[in-house]
Amino acid sequence: QQQVKQSPQSLIVQKGGISIINCAYENTAFDYFPWYQQFPGKGPALLIAIRPDVSEKKEGRFTISFNKSAKQFSLHIMDSQPGDSATYFCAAGYAGGTSYGKLTFGQGTILTVHP
Amino acid sequence: DVKVTQSSRYLVKRTGEKVFLECVQDMDHENMFWYRQDPGLGLRLIYFSYDVKMKEKGDIPEGYSVSREKKERFSLILESASTNQTSMYLCASSLAPQRALNEKLFFGSGTQLSVL
Repeated sequence: QQQVKQSPQSLIVQKGGISIINCAYENTAFDYFPWYQQFPGKGPALLIAIRPDVSEKKEGRFTISFNKSAKQFSLHIMDSQPGDSATYFCAAGYAGGTSYGKLTFGQGTILTVHP
Repeated sequence: DVKVTQSSRYLVKRTGEKVFLECVQDMDHENMFWYRQDPGLGLRLIYFSYDVKMKEKGDIPEGYSVSREKKERFSLILESASTNQTSMYLCASSLAPQRALNEKLFFGSGTQLSVL
């Protein structure tokens, strides 16, 4: 079963606009929520991550918003640029213990930013 | 920079063949993972390993096995390849929690396997 659901499947944004990708999870034991960015021909790379003790984390133009009660989190890309065009994956996992590093990924969102 | 190297970028095999996918990391990471990536399904964990000669099943281990004889190398084995194993295979590694500042996974560039 898919424990992390991601939407939309694809997203087209104009340069300078805001890109928003949403994820929902089921397992309340998850305590680590990263976003990975993947360019064609490359493996995914960590973009930004959050733990459930904070509701928002910002790094440059990228912000994660986290809603623990709703079991949802989202990625906001401000001032989107053509270079942001990539596939984005949300994921959920564990910050420690025997399942450390074992991530459950969402289905992915293909973002296209038009110049 | 951490480097995770997968031996082949593209691989074409016949149904029933035994297939080996190799992965090597150069940063002394304890943890290694094999994921498969399919459109609309995201990445799904096949197997992972926290130490040499240690392995644990992920979410979709059926039809696969793994081998980790050395810390830097983690192999994925398809004992008898089938067409439904046509996919992009991604290897990843990370530090053990007692040595890591964060839970970051480092991925290789992937092997696109086609089973005909």
